[in-house]
Amino acid sequence: DGGITQSPKYLFRKEGQNVTLSCEQNLNHDAMYWYRQDPGQGLRLIYYSQIVNDFQKGDIAEGYSVSREKKESFPLTVTSAQKNPTAFYLCASSILRDPYEQYFGPGTRLTVT
Amino acid sequence: SQQGEEDPQALSIQEGENATMNCSYKTSINNLQWYRQNSGRGLVHLILIRSNEREKHSGRLRVTLDTSKKSSSLLITASRAADTASYFCATLRGGAGNMLTFGGGTRLMVKP
Repeated sequence: DGGITQSPKYLFRKEGQNVTLSCEQNLNHDAMYWYRQDPGQGLRLIYYSQIVNDFQKGDIAEGYSVSREKKESFPLTVTSAQKNPTAFYLCASSILRDPYEQYFGPGTRLTVT
Repeated sequence: SQQGEEDPQALSIQEGENATMNCSYKTSINNLQWYRQNSGRGLVHLILIRSNEREKHSGRLRVTLDTSKKSSSLLITASRAADTASYFCATLRGGAGNMLTFGGGTRLMVKP
């Protein structure tokens, strides 16, 4: 069964704590992405990676960090420097050629109090 | 900045009616994609239309593209309660082939 998995589905943390969200894909896609979605809003790109051991900042990278040690995995760490971390986080992957359709995981809802 | 902007932001219709959502974008595109998101879930790719196409069909979905107006529309015919979801358009960012920019979405509610 091919696809993208994200865990956990719900995550609760206290303010000031770092938290890592998991994203794994078995689609053999080279590119992976992290998005943030706030209630009733669209998706904003946090980080993306096109190859192992390389990643680039997206539009809202401040307060986040990522790693890409394996092709299949692209974990996102929400650090205590992120001022408003409560949101829905979506991971996606794609091949690196036209049409660049993205495949999404089920998302992780992070609540920080 | 948002490349694609959907209109309306919210739409409520009765089952059996047609639903039309519009998307405007700012720069030239290679293709435009539409995605669907059920509440609290990930996005699912629905349909893609290329810049040299004007219309495309897939089941009850019809997408049009007007590159002169930088706009696209998604029509869902004979809507069902199960079509209730948010719908997003996405365009490839210029200069970075694999990067998509998503609009704010249209929240569609289909009442049974």
